[in-house]
Amino acid sequence: EDQVTQSPEALRLQEGESSSLNCSYTVSGLRGLFWYRQDPGKGPEFLFTLYSAGEEKEKERLKATLTKKESFLHITAPKPEDSATYLCAGGSQGNLIFGKGTKLSVKP
Amino acid sequence: NAGVMQNPRHLVRRRGQEARLRCSPMKGHSHVYWYRQLPEEGLKFMVYLQKENIIDESGMPKERFSAEFPKEGPSILRIQQVVRGDSAAYFCASSPNILFAGGGNEQYFGPGTRLTVT
Repeated sequence: EDQVTQSPEALRLQEGESSSLNCSYTVSGLRGLFWYRQDPGKGPEFLFTLYSAGEEKEKERLKATLTKKESFLHITAPKPEDSATYLCAGGSQGNLIFGKGTKLSVKP
Repeated sequence: NAGVMQNPRHLVRRRGQEARLRCSPMKGHSHVYWYRQLPEEGLKFMVYLQKENIIDESGMPKERFSAEFPKEGPSILRIQQVVRGDSAAYFCASSPNILFAGGGNEQYFGPGTRLTVT
């Protein structure tokens, strides 16, 4: 069965304390790995799509990487406004299979 | 360029009533996806539609749930005879093309409709 697992479930960081979020996947014929950010009461906001192992993408303090089994979202020197739930999803066809997310809290 | 629009944002229904959720995709997008998010759970795929066609409904319960995306107007997710277990946030997403068919491989999400069944 296709599955996406994210860890940790929750992460508390001090402002400026860099860390990584993990997304491991078993999706048959994976064609893309997606990262989204979701704020409370809102819809997911698209961040990145990664297509092949070794690919990296960056946006401000975020960098996403992909291997054959997992993806990492690295957060460098986070700020309080980075606090949100980060969702990972794998896709092989039209629908996406989501993990439960990592809830990130960044304290000033 | 307006994003994906969903209405209503909040919907309260009594058990046994019908719920109709609407989704207007981003301009230029002809592919619509519906997902459900239960408390403390991840987003679960329900159905994928293109104009006037259901492409994949493998995630949608076979009873009480239906979806459409007519030639004109928004996509509609309909839940008949709602039960308390239907209480959830329902999200719609849209994309410009078939995912992974070449270009535009992002699904953009709307703000969601939060359904509460009393």
